[in-house]
Amino acid sequence: GEDVEQSLFLSVREGDSSVINCTYTDSSSTYLYWYKQEPGAGLQLLTYIFSNMDMKQDQRLTVLLNKKDKHLSLRIADTQTGDSAIYFCAESRSDTGGRALTFGSGTRLQVQP
Amino acid sequence: GAVVSQHPSRVICKSGTSVKIECRSLDFQATTMFWYRQFPKKSLMLMATSNEGSKATYEQGVEKDKFLINHASLTLSTLTVTSAHPEDSSFYICSASPVADQETQYFGPGTRLLVL
Repeated sequence: GEDVEQSLFLSVREGDSSVINCTYTDSSSTYLYWYKQEPGAGLQLLTYIFSNMDMKQDQRLTVLLNKKDKHLSLRIADTQTGDSAIYFCAESRSDTGGRALTFGSGTRLQVQP
Repeated sequence: GAVVSQHPSRVICKSGTSVKIECRSLDFQATTMFWYRQFPKKSLMLMATSNEGSKATYEQGVEKDKFLINHASLTLSTLTVTSAHPEDSSFYICSASPVADQETQYFGPGTRLLVL
């Protein structure tokens, strides 16, 4: 079956880099995503990576994909207090033509001033 | 960017009543919308895939007679929780993929349902 796993909690100091890790199981996933959820709010798409890419950089965000190990990571450079939120990784479900998503349990990032 | 809205943002209802939640894509058309449910401090679980003009596809374990989905137009999908019970209390989130960019999903802000 499909399963996406993340560590539950990460605490960093403001200005440091944050690295959030994720493992997934569907080797046929076409896209992998990172979403941010602030308290009481919906999900905000941060970035996504195509499965044939190893890395994608977008301003302070760097996504690394190790397809062999089915490992995805999100690095946030110069982490700010406004980055405090829950971060979900998600894989596109190949059994739905890549449309629906399977989400990880979310990693709560706490940024200390 | 693409915006998806949900209405209402929160609703409190009595056990046994039905509640309708709307999901709208405001500036794009979406042939497919998705309904997710999120329990407190948990991940999102896909409930069903809503297809414009046809029947929804439900995930295993989701009762289609309990959670009625209607996708009447390219910008609107509705989820009706029928005969709601306290265990249906949850955060319901919809998402939509633009016809022109079907690899991207935009999520609504969610609807918090509390059944007393």
